[in-house]
Amino acid sequence: DAMVIQNPRYQVTQFGKPVTLSCSQTLNHNVMYWYQQKSSQAPKLLFHYYDKDFNNEADTPDNFQSRRPNTSFCFLDIRSPGLGDAAMYLCATSRGAQETQYFGPGTRLLVL
Amino acid sequence: KQEVTQIPAALSVPEGENLVLNCSFTDSAIYNLQWFRQDPGKGLTSLLLIQSSQREQTSGRLNASLDKSSGRSTLYIAASQPGDSATYLCAVSGGGSNYKLTFGKGTLLTVNP
Repeated sequence: DAMVIQNPRYQVTQFGKPVTLSCSQTLNHNVMYWYQQKSSQAPKLLFHYYDKDFNNEADTPDNFQSRRPNTSFCFLDIRSPGLGDAAMYLCATSRGAQETQYFGPGTRLLVL
Repeated sequence: KQEVTQIPAALSVPEGENLVLNCSFTDSAIYNLQWFRQDPGKGLTSLLLIQSSQREQTSGRLNASLDKSSGRSTLYIAASQPGDSATYLCAVSGGGSNYKLTFGKGTLLTVNP
């Protein structure tokens, strides 16, 4: 089945130790998104790619970076995770702008 | 800045009851509105998308309405079942080239057998 896949599902890292989260899609969608969702909060958009064009939200910390080496894959890099970065990280895709977004199962990040 | 509010924050109903979840947004210049379902510890599943030019969308037991001018949407769930228990989030998309979805915090629905 076409889908959005996130790996790993759970990630434990140490304070300040770089971590990379992975997202892949079989939908061949042009747009890929990364959201951060903290407990009982609304998902918050960090950035998105339209094809290779990267778009960062104004309030996304510099500590967060992203790479999209090809249509299928997108990575979220957290350069120096702090305790406040512990959250669920959700990847989503859409065919184009303003179209239905399809979400992956998320990666829960724990920072010790 | 767009803000999305969902009321109530939590709702508990007996099985079989019809129910309505509410969503309001501050900026009526939206392109579309989506309703999502989120199970505990999981990602989001898209339920319905309503374009700004539409008044409602239906999928099975779900019906979503949109009143863009008043900044309101409702999600109606008919004949609720325990399997409907989840958090329901609404999100709005801005006009133009704005890809951003602005989410509400969600309504936690519990349907009791």
